[in-house]
Amino acid sequence: GDSVTQMEGPVTLSEEAFLTINCTYTATGYPSLFWYVQYPGEGLQLLLKATKADDKGSNKGFEATYRKETTSFHLEKGSVQVSDSAVYFCALGSGGYNKLIFGAGTRLAVHP
Amino acid sequence: GAGVSQTPSNKVTEKGKYVELRCDPISGHTALYWYRQSLGQGPEFLIYFQGTGAADDSGLPNDRFFAVRPEGSVSTLKIQRTERGDSAVYLCASSLEGALNTGELFFGEGSRLTVL
Repeated sequence: GDSVTQMEGPVTLSEEAFLTINCTYTATGYPSLFWYVQYPGEGLQLLLKATKADDKGSNKGFEATYRKETTSFHLEKGSVQVSDSAVYFCALGSGGYNKLIFGAGTRLAVHP
Repeated sequence: GAGVSQTPSNKVTEKGKYVELRCDPISGHTALYWYRQSLGQGPEFLIYFQGTGAADDSGLPNDRFFAVRPEGSVSTLKIQRTERGDSAVYLCASSLEGALNTGELFFGEGSRLTVL
């Protein structure tokens, strides 16, 4: 069945460092891909998305490119801030009605 | 409130007891989802409602789990004869009907269930 694999955390960075969180997927067909973020004490929220191959999703300085050839959707940010500390979830959309399949999540801790 | 509201935020119960978890979605959102998140894992799909009907309940783990949405708004997840393995955070999310395939679900903060 469809699945998502993302790099284990925690990822610990200093402020202004470059961030990459790897995500690969297995799916039949051509799913949509998403990154969700969960800040401390808050519910999951959509960070960015890409609906077809070679699409780039971006938001709040974060980017991810839908790579069909490598079945990947890695999350990147050029300069992280302390406020980016959160848990990041990669997900794919299946079933045609927002049935999301999530990865296990990667915790990011950014220190001043 | 403006967001998805879930109650209780925490529930501790004993093995074998019955539990109800409530979700109040964003007003006007016709689609509602329940997910379960175990420690160290991502959310796992349980059930999807479109309006009052369960359009997909394929994620419910067994017949001890049941969910309703009688008026197409508030939903209740019901767990009978709870087991220790049911301990998890139960997440509710909603979305606009027109948001099919956009992936934009609006999640509540979850109900943490602990079965002793």
